Amino acid sequence: DADVTQTPRNRITKTGKRIMLECSQTKGHDRMYWYRQDPGLGLRLIYYSFDVKDINKGEISDGYSVSRQAQAKFSLSLESAIPNQTALYFCATSDFANTEAFFGQGTRLTVV
Amino acid sequence: AQSVAQPEDQVNVAEGNPLTVKCTYSVSGNPYLFWYVQYPNRGLQFLLKYITGDNLVKGSYGFEAEFNKSQTSFHLKKPSALVSDSALYFCAVRDRNSGNTPLVFGKGTRLSVIA
Repeated sequence: DADVTQTPRNRITKTGKRIMLECSQTKGHDRMYWYRQDPGLGLRLIYYSFDVKDINKGEISDGYSVSRQAQAKFSLSLESAIPNQTALYFCATSDFANTEAFFGQGTRLTVV
Repeated sequence: AQSVAQPEDQVNVAEGNPLTVKCTYSVSGNPYLFWYVQYPNRGLQFLLKYITGDNLVKGSYGFEAEFNKSQTSFHLKKPSALVSDSALYFCAVRDRNSGNTPLVFGKGTRLSVIA
């Protein structure tokens, strides 16, 4: 089983719909992240959480919200999806500041 | 604020030749530096990191990177490229002195190794 699991892997949704992307990890890490990948723009941080009670906005948090249900689970929601939120979304986890992050396989989201 | 620049969108190299993927960074203090690789339809895989100590860091799949503090660079290198190295490469930085901050990524460099 993968250390960081994202569901769904692919999703097509309509403009205005609410959608949730889920992430779970078995690494036992406290830190979890949501990134968005767009061609030519690299990975941009949406939200991050350093423990269950800690939620922080990243550089592109508008239009998104998150929930840290447990140490192992971190969900990303799009309250009212719009076409420019079409992208590849990655969840990641890490342990300490000097350690690498581990990434999920990604969720490809298309908003039509 | 911390930032990463990967000045080349695309790097082409012949199989067997050495390859370099460039990365420069900006942090207010000292950096933790990372390289990741992304193969098609896959997540990011960790290649190597610089934390402290020896400026030359060796990682997975024969890759290495050299930390140069004066030039604020952390270029990824491999002595002999393979076709299977073709992928998207990301450099990332975290400021060691700024407490709890997440990784900041560059925009990525697509490496194409031609047989």
